[in-house]
Amino acid sequence: GAGVSQSPRYKVAKRGQDVALRCDPISGHVSLFWYQQALGQGPEFLTYFQNEAQLDKSGLPSDRFFAERPEGSVSTLKIQRTQKEDSAVYLCASSLGDRGYNEQFFGPGTRLTVL
Amino acid sequence: AQTVTQSQPEMSVQEAETVTLSCTYDTSESNYYLFWYKQPPSRQMILVIRQEAYKQQNATENRFSVNFQKAAKSFSLKISDSQLGDTAMYFCAFILGTSYGKLTFGQGTILTVHP
Repeated sequence: GAGVSQSPRYKVAKRGQDVALRCDPISGHVSLFWYQQALGQGPEFLTYFQNEAQLDKSGLPSDRFFAERPEGSVSTLKIQRTQKEDSAVYLCASSLGDRGYNEQFFGPGTRLTVL
Repeated sequence: AQTVTQSQPEMSVQEAETVTLSCTYDTSESNYYLFWYKQPPSRQMILVIRQEAYKQQNATENRFSVNFQKAAKSFSLKISDSQLGDTAMYFCAFILGTSYGKLTFGQGTILTVHP
């Protein structure tokens, strides 16, 4: 496919479980972003990768959140010991370059519900 | 820090009419980009229009145009000849020109187009 894909689309977890969310960016895109979108709100930045390097993780809400992009393509966002407040849609976006003017292409998101 | 404010939680418009969505932002920087994104119920975020702060001319994309008032830090979106497919959540967003692309979003405006 030509777009950004994310899996799973929906994830239900019991509080305390670990979850892993996957993002497949557009092939060749250097930059990859993760955002968290609470219900009815705008997305909030979590972390940024330039190729395999995680250059900004200032938005990760706690040390339970971990992201990686080991080969500079697919990325995984892992949440350990999930809490109810982690319930949100997690959006992944990629862009061709590493400058602000590069358009970001978003995936459909993963809706995480923590019971 | 940069902030983006959308003061209209919900708007509605009749098909074929014109509607304007408001956005204000706050920054001390002079080099930045502003965006309007559309998020339909399917959740995939789509770029609608982009404005470079150094450009005085307002951006236009077919039925979509912006009114960029740099001194007032205002960036409104006008949708002409509204169509049913325009029904979506609209987000105003900001990027520093020196940034790799970390987006700061507003809270969003739900737009409903009625037949």
